[in-house]
Amino acid sequence: DIQMTQSPSSLSASVGERVTITCRASQSISGYLNWYQQKPGKAPKLLINAASSLQSGVPSRFSGSGSGTDFTLAISSLQPEDFATYYCQQSYTTLLTFGGGTKVEMK
Amino acid sequence: QLQLQESGPGLVKPSETLSLTCTVSGGSISSSRYYWGWIRQSPGKGLEWIGSMYYTGTTYSNPSLKSRVTISIDTSKNQVSLKLSYVTAADTAVYYCASPPEGSYDIYFYYWGPGTLVTVSS
Repeated sequence: DIQMTQSPSSLSASVGERVTITCRASQSISGYLNWYQQKPGKAPKLLINAASSLQSGVPSRFSGSGSGTDFTLAISSLQPEDFATYYCQQSYTTLLTFGGGTKVEMK
Repeated sequence: QLQLQESGPGLVKPSETLSLTCTVSGGSISSSRYYWGWIRQSPGKGLEWIGSMYYTGTTYSNPSLKSRVTISIDTSKNQVSLKLSYVTAADTAVYYCASPPEGSYDIYFYYWGPGTLVTVSS
């Protein structure tokens, strides 16, 4: 199995701050990396697929980068609605795996 | 735009089989290159992929659950089903069905159901 490790597991930030979340794969997954946002009591929402392809309707303050084993989700200027938990997911293999999640909390 | 809705018993006894259904609307469950996945989330925990079914009929399951998971589709009802046998308290979770955009070759989950909570308890 490919293990996905996210860091940090949680972070505190203020509105307007730049936030970065890292996802590391246990082996190369090329660019097969997807990012989701989940708010309490809700299903996850797809933000980015293929490492850097922003989904339609997702604010441009979100961006994704990386390839191989190391990937980053960045939020350029944190907004109140961005406080949530973020997950990465690899789709390189048929046995899918998610990262453990990063909870973004208000400072 | 697809809509997915999970349904099934909210309470299952230990050692019994958990059975859930995902009803798909807004499109055909057997359209080209379909892919249906089940994901769960234990209380306060992260997302765990359970298993998936491809349009070829092939199913894949999380190795940690593999022998207990059965996924099938009912094209007449436009439904995807999940069965998880020999459940324990560790299987208590919100269960989601999800799928990629129609025709996608990459497996990322664009469509999600709202999820259904299943509690395993006697």
